[in-house]
Amino acid sequence: GQQVMQIPQYQHVQEGEDFTTYCNSSTTLSNIQWYKQRPGGHPVFLIQLVKSGEVKKQKRLTFQFGEAKKNSSLHITATQTTDVGTYFCAGLQGTYKYIFGTGTRLKVLA
Amino acid sequence: EAQVTQNPRYLITVTGKKLTVTCSQNMNHEYMSWYRQDPGLGLRQIYYSMNVEVTDKGDVPEGYKVSRKEKRNFPLILESPSPNQTSLYFCASSLLRVAGMSYTFGSGTRLTVV
Repeated sequence: GQQVMQIPQYQHVQEGEDFTTYCNSSTTLSNIQWYKQRPGGHPVFLIQLVKSGEVKKQKRLTFQFGEAKKNSSLHITATQTTDVGTYFCAGLQGTYKYIFGTGTRLKVLA
Repeated sequence: EAQVTQNPRYLITVTGKKLTVTCSQNMNHEYMSWYRQDPGLGLRQIYYSMNVEVTDKGDVPEGYKVSRKEKRNFPLILESPSPNQTSLYFCASSLLRVAGMSYTFGSGTRLTVV
């Protein structure tokens, strides 16, 4: 079945450094979503990408959808301690089912 | 406030003792789903429901049951829990639409089976 892998699994960065997590699918995705889960919390929807090569920005966060629609990335510029958490991508399989990636846990050292 | 409410937040139980985790949403969402979260494995779907009386297996359904008798409620039932079901469970709901569904998650239920 379709799998969605994320790398890295963990990332520690100094506050102010940049951070990137990558999401790779074994099959073409109709669209992809990103979620953030704060420590002890639940996943919260961040954004959805639909078009091939699409790039969206939310303040310091930049989201990209690959040209082949099989991969995506989330880049955070100048991390802050408020960025800590686990970031999940979720790729659309079929019409209604999203497959979640394995997640990347980010720790930001002050 | 629009939300998905799960109960309980924490539960410790013994092997074989039936339990139910409740999930309720107040957003009139058609789609509801249960996930379990385990380290290194991300969020894996257990069961989902596209509307009242319509449920289907996700990727890891063994050992679980669900029901959808009302639109707002989607309980998760463990008839005979085992230690390998120790996990963090999330209920999620969404409008059902082809253009894209964004999930609203509950706060989670941390289950320990001893």
